Amino acid sequence: AQSVSQHNHHVILSEAASLELGCNYSYGGTVNLFWYVQYPGQHLQLLLKYFSGDPLVKGIKGFEAEFIKSKFSFNLRKPSVQWSDTAEYFCAVTNTGGFKTIFGAGTRLFVKA
Amino acid sequence: EPEVTQTPSHQVTQMGQEVILRCVPISNHLYFYWYRQILGQKVEFLVSFYNNEISEKSEIFDDQFSVERPDGSNFTLKIRSTKLEDSAMYFCASSAQGAQSYGYTFGSGTRLTVV
Repeated sequence: AQSVSQHNHHVILSEAASLELGCNYSYGGTVNLFWYVQYPGQHLQLLLKYFSGDPLVKGIKGFEAEFIKSKFSFNLRKPSVQWSDTAEYFCAVTNTGGFKTIFGAGTRLFVKA
Repeated sequence: EPEVTQTPSHQVTQMGQEVILRCVPISNHLYFYWYRQILGQKVEFLVSFYNNEISEKSEIFDDQFSVERPDGSNFTLKIRSTKLEDSAMYFCASSAQGAQSYGYTFGSGTRLTVV
């Protein structure tokens, strides 16, 4: 069965620190990969997505993620976080041709001002 | 920017009662979904809906649940005989094509509290 693992449940950083959130998935076929963000009190929003092509994808607000097929990973990065990045981040996977998306458990990021 | 709208934002119901959660997807989207998030737990897939029928559902989506697109704009989730463990945040989502193509646009959610 498909699954998505996010390595860190809680991350605390100071402003301007670099961020990397780990995500690994298990699925043998072709997948599409997503990162969603949920700001406090708000709904889930799509941050970035990977379907094919360049494995380094850039999203909104300076976030990027790298798909490493051999490692089944899709880690999220940001060179310099801001206080406003405080949110919960969810990695998600959909198998090509499928209808449902499997979400990871989420990583709560708190950025200290 | 187009939005997915969910009503109500918060619903409190007594155990055993039926609830209907309502969603208005983005108007030109063709695929519709319900997900739920129990407090402190993962976002879980419930059901996907396309061309007026369920295209996929999870093991959570048993006979207690049903979905409907009654009028071409609304997309509803009905929970019959609610249980305490149905308390969760329920998210509606829609996409223009399949989920794999664009990702979803999520609504702001309905917090269901069963007492």
